[in-house]
This record gives sequence, structure tokens and C-alpha cells, in this order.
Amino acid sequence: AQSVSQHNHHVILSEAASLELGCNYSYGGTVNLFWYVQYPGQHLQLLLKYFSGDPLVKGIKGFEAEFIKSKFSFNLRKPSVQWSDTAEYFCAVNLDNQGGKLIFGQGTELSVKP
Amino acid sequence: DAGVIQSPRHEVTEMGQEVTLRCKPISGHNSLFWYRQTMMRGLELLIYFNNNVPIDDSGMPEDRFSAKMPNASFSTLKIQPSEPRDSAVYFCASSRVGLNTEAFFGQGTRLTVV
Repeated sequence: AQSVSQHNHHVILSEAASLELGCNYSYGGTVNLFWYVQYPGQHLQLLLKYFSGDPLVKGIKGFEAEFIKSKFSFNLRKPSVQWSDTAEYFCAVNLDNQGGKLIFGQGTELSVKP
Repeated sequence: DAGVIQSPRHEVTEMGQEVTLRCKPISGHNSLFWYRQTMMRGLELLIYFNNNVPIDDSGMPEDRFSAKMPNASFSTLKIQPSEPRDSAVYFCASSRVGLNTEAFFGQGTRLTVV
């Protein structure tokens, strides 16, 4: 079955530290890839997305992600985190044969210390 | 557009009672998803519709759960009878059918069954 794995359950960083959150998926066909962010007590919001083209995509708030097809990965990065980045981050995959169904990873909780 | 609208935002009910959660997708979107979020299980897809037709309800936990989409602008998720383990945040999301689309989430309904 198709799945999405996020390697880190909880990440704790100090402000200005660099961030990389891992995401791998298991599916051999065409995919769209997403990172969503959920701030405490709020709904999921789209951070960035990859459909095609340049595998390095830039999103809001200084986030970027790189699609490496050979590794089935779509890791999220930010060079310097801020306290306001404290949130839960979800990687998701939209499969070409699933009618738009999104499969989410387990989520990574990021805590940034001021 | 007001985005995906869910109601109520919070619901507290007694075990055994019927609960109905409501969702209005973004106008023009023809895919609708119901997700449940808990600490233990993360974000789970319960059911999704394409063009008002249920496509995959394999995530619906039990027969106590049912979902309908009578038209393109309205969907309900019903739990009858409710149990304490149903306590969770229920999110509705909508998108356009197919690849190269992103899902937009509602604010969620926080359900507490006592």
C-alpha cells in the first residue's frame, strides 16, 4: 500500500538554527507532493507544493523543499527558523490513480526555543 | 472566497447521542475529504467524494459513521451513536479533482464525547 513516512516525530531547535524535516513516500507512479503546516489550535495550511518542473520548490515563510525522485523523498528545509515556526508539519502525497486523494505522513512537531 | 466552512467549531455531546458535522467546500471544487485527527493516530482520511459520489470510504472506522454529499456545496459526517473514543478534531477539505491540485482545509470541528 502507498504510504508517506516522516522520519522525525518531534524536533526541538533554537532560533536561527537550520531545519530539515525528512519525508519519504512509497509509490512508483506520478505524484504531487505537499508540505502542510498546522499552527497550534489551527487548521492545516499549505506551505509548498511540487507538481512538476524544478525539483527545488520554494514556499511561504522562507521554506523550501527538494524532490529527489530516485530517493522517493521530499525533504523540507529552512535555513534559519524562528519561534513563530513552532507548529506541526505534515508531508502529503497525491497519487495519480487515486482521484485526488491525499495521503499524509504522521506529522513532525517542531518546537523552536526563543 | 470564504474557504472551506465547517460547523460547528466545537461540539460536546454525551455518549450515545447522534452527532452531525457539516462542511461547505470551496465553490468550484469537486473533491471533498473528511479527515480525523487525534494524538494517537494522527491525520486519518475517513472518506472522500468526487463530484458528490463517495469514492473511498475505507477509512470510516465503523458503521456508526456515515457521510453524505447531497450536492456540490454541502456534506455531512454523522456519528450515531457517538462514543468517547470518537473524540477528535474532524477536518473537511476540498480540491479540484485530479492531479496538480491542492486541498484546502476547513477550521475543523473539535468533538468531545463524554
